[in-house]
Amino acid sequence: KQEVTQIPAALSVPEGENLVLNCSFTDSAIYNLQWFRQDPGKGLTSLLLIQSSQREQTSGRLNASLDKSSGRSTLYIAASQPGDSATYLCAVRYTSYDKVIFGPGTSLSVIP
Amino acid sequence: GAVVSQHPSWVICKSGTSVKIECRSLDFQATTMFWYRQFPKQSLMLMATSNEGSKATYEQGVEKDKFLINHASLTLSTLTVTSAHPEDSSFYICSARLPNNEQFFGPGTRLTVL
Repeated sequence: KQEVTQIPAALSVPEGENLVLNCSFTDSAIYNLQWFRQDPGKGLTSLLLIQSSQREQTSGRLNASLDKSSGRSTLYIAASQPGDSATYLCAVRYTSYDKVIFGPGTSLSVIP
Repeated sequence: GAVVSQHPSWVICKSGTSVKIECRSLDFQATTMFWYRQFPKQSLMLMATSNEGSKATYEQGVEKDKFLINHASLTLSTLTVTSAHPEDSSFYICSARLPNNEQFFGPGTRLTVL
């Protein structure tokens, strides 16, 4: 069964810290992996999309890596800001299942 | 990127009534659309896959007679929650897939059943 897990479930850091969010998936045969941000009561904001053939993507202070062999992706946030506080969701599209499966999310709080 | 819209963005209804949620791909044609549900403090769970012109495919545990999905055109899919009950209160998000396999998500619809 294809699953997506994320650790930690919640994270609280002081402003300015660099941090890493982790995502694990159970099958290396993936089409792509996507990181989203969700603010309370709001929809999804796509942050980074990594195709199967790529190893990382960068956007501003965000960097996402992909290691299919180990079934892992990390989202690195540099110099965190209070505005980064949100839930971060990892979503994997498996090749065989061909549907996007979401992880449970990591709730991030950046303390001023 | 491509834009997916949902209407309404939020709805409150009485128990026993039916509610229709629309999902539109605004600037592209989507042969496949997906419907997700998110309960408070939980992640998104796929409910069904909708292909234009054919019956939707429902995930295990999702009642097809309760959650009616219609994908009548390449830009519109609708989800109707029939005889809604308080336990159906949730955040419903649709997603549309382009012919090149990119997938975009709508802003979501918050349903509250009293």
